[in-house]
Amino acid sequence: SQQGEEDPQALSIQEGENATMNCSYKTSINNLQWYRQNSGRGLVHLILIRSNEREKHSGRLRVTLDTSKKSSSLLITASRAADTASYFCATGAYSGAGSYQLTFGKGTKLSVIP
Amino acid sequence: EPEVTQTPSHQVTQMGQEVILRCVPISNHLYFYWYRQILGQKVEFLVSFYNNEISEKSEIFDDQFSVERPDGSNFTLKIRSTKLEDSAMYFCASSLNKGYGYTFGSGTRLTVV
Repeated sequence: SQQGEEDPQALSIQEGENATMNCSYKTSINNLQWYRQNSGRGLVHLILIRSNEREKHSGRLRVTLDTSKKSSSLLITASRAADTASYFCATGAYSGAGSYQLTFGKGTKLSVIP
Repeated sequence: EPEVTQTPSHQVTQMGQEVILRCVPISNHLYFYWYRQILGQKVEFLVSFYNNEISEKSEIFDDQFSVERPDGSNFTLKIRSTKLEDSAMYFCASSLNKGYGYTFGSGTRLTVV
């Protein structure tokens, strides 16, 4: 399975600290995406990194991708209480038939304490 | 900002009944998806839809499930005879093209009793 697995499962930090979440996967991918889910709500797309990219930034978010290690990390700098949510990595790959599938990991539950 | 809209937000149904979950994807998006999330578990892929036909489906998406785009705006998921284990949050998503980021709706919480 190409499914990503996040680590840690849960993370609790103080407001202002940085939060790092990791994702590992098993098969070749075309891109990797990170999503946020607030409790009981839908998933919000945060950032997409292509397989030929190594690092990408968006505001306080920094994503890295190491295809040789089949891993990615999401760094949230200067965390805020509003960042409290579950964060999912999702691996995207094209099948032999040309269709594309996005497969989600189990997520990391981040709690930012004010 | 454009949104994916899902209705209803919560549906309770008796086992064996048919349910239809509705979604309005973003108007210029070409690819549509259904995912589900059983409480506290991972988000699971059900089906993808493009050009008025299913492009990919998972093992979960058996004969009890069907999808339809009845007009130019709606995208529906039908479960013909619901089971207790179908209780989950169902998310609709759309994307402009293959390989792009997905925009998800807020979900429909389906409870089968």
